[in-house]
This record gives sequence, structure tokens and C-alpha cells, in this order.
Amino acid sequence: DGGITQSPKYLFRKEGQNVTLSCEQNLNHDAMYWYRQDPGQGLRLIYYSQIVNDFQKGDIAEGYSVSREKKESFPLTVTSAQKNPTAFYLCASTTLGNSPLHFGNGTRLTVT
Amino acid sequence: GENVEQHPSTLSVQEGDSAVIKCTYSDSASNYFPWYKQELGKRPQLIIDIRSNVGEKKDQRIAVTLNKTAKHFSLHITETQPEDSAVYFCAAIYISGTYKYIFGTGTRLKVLA
Repeated sequence: DGGITQSPKYLFRKEGQNVTLSCEQNLNHDAMYWYRQDPGQGLRLIYYSQIVNDFQKGDIAEGYSVSREKKESFPLTVTSAQKNPTAFYLCASTTLGNSPLHFGNGTRLTVT
Repeated sequence: GENVEQHPSTLSVQEGDSAVIKCTYSDSASNYFPWYKQELGKRPQLIIDIRSNVGEKKDQRIAVTLNKTAKHFSLHITETQPEDSAVYFCAAIYISGTYKYIFGTGTRLKVLA
């Protein structure tokens, strides 16, 4: 059963701690994306990657970091430098070209 | 810069009426425009998409139109039903060596029974 798996579904952290959100896909997709969604708002692009060992900053990359060591995996680290990290984080993947994004179920991060 | 504007932000219609959501994009090189539906607390799901070699595409009660000259594309839902209530997002791909998917800010559609 192919798809994108994000874990965990809910994550709670104290302010000042780094936290890593997992995203794994078994769709053999080349490209992977991270979006942040705040209540009542759209999807804002954090980072994306088209190939292994390469990634690009999106519109709101400050305070986040990523890695792409394997085609299947694109973890996102929310660092202590991110001023307002509480949000719903969505990972997506696609084949390169004019193809739709397939989304994971998301991770809801709460930082207190 | 890379931008997708979406209107309206909220839309209420009576069951059975039509709903129209409009988006504009800024990069004339964009050639792929998907629409997503997101129910509360869930992931966005693709409902229809259009590529720049066509002007209109239909799938049952849903249609999308594209005007490349004006850089507009629209989602049309006919005979709306309560289960159509959700947030709808448009998106466009910006291509500059990489494929950057940019989303609109979303439209909350409420279908009133």
C-alpha cells in the first residue's frame, strides 16, 4: 500500500528544544515538500527537494532545517530559532513535472 | 514574485446552488494548476487539475477553467451538497530549475442545507 507517512500525528515540545518531524514515502517520488499550515490560513512552503542530497528553501525557511539522504525520506527539524513553531505541518511528494502533490496526514506540533 | 491569489476567502451557498472560486498567478511560465479540498483536521486531497494546453476540464459536478492570457483559473462546483463544505486551495507550479508548488490562501465553502 503506497503512500506518505508522517509521524508522529501529535507532538508536544517545550520552548527552546529542537524537534524533528518524520516524512517517509514509498511512492518512488523524486520530489518532496514541507508546508506549514496555521489555523484558517493557506499552505506556506518551508523547504523542498527534487533529488537526494539537494534541497531548496521555500518562502518561510527561517528556523527550519531539512536533509535528504535517501529518496524515501525528508525529515524536517524545527529549531529553537523558529519564533512561532506551533502549527500543522504537512509533507508532500510528487514525480517531477506537471503532477499533483500527494500529502501525508500531517503532524500537529504544539510548543509551550 | 511567485504568488497565487485566491478569492473569496469564505463562501456560503444554498444547497443545490453553484459555487465559484477564483485564482490568479504571477508567472506566465506556470503550466499546471491543481485544486485541493481539505476537510477539518485532514490532509488536502486533489479534486481536479488542469494543464495549460486545455482551457476547461470537467469531472461530474466539478469543473476548472483556465485563462492563460489573463493568468486566471477558476473552480466551479455545481449542484452543491453539504458534503462539499470544506476548505478549497488552488495551486500553481513555478518552474525555475526546480518545481515550486505555491498555494493560494484557501476558500472556506459552506453549503447550507
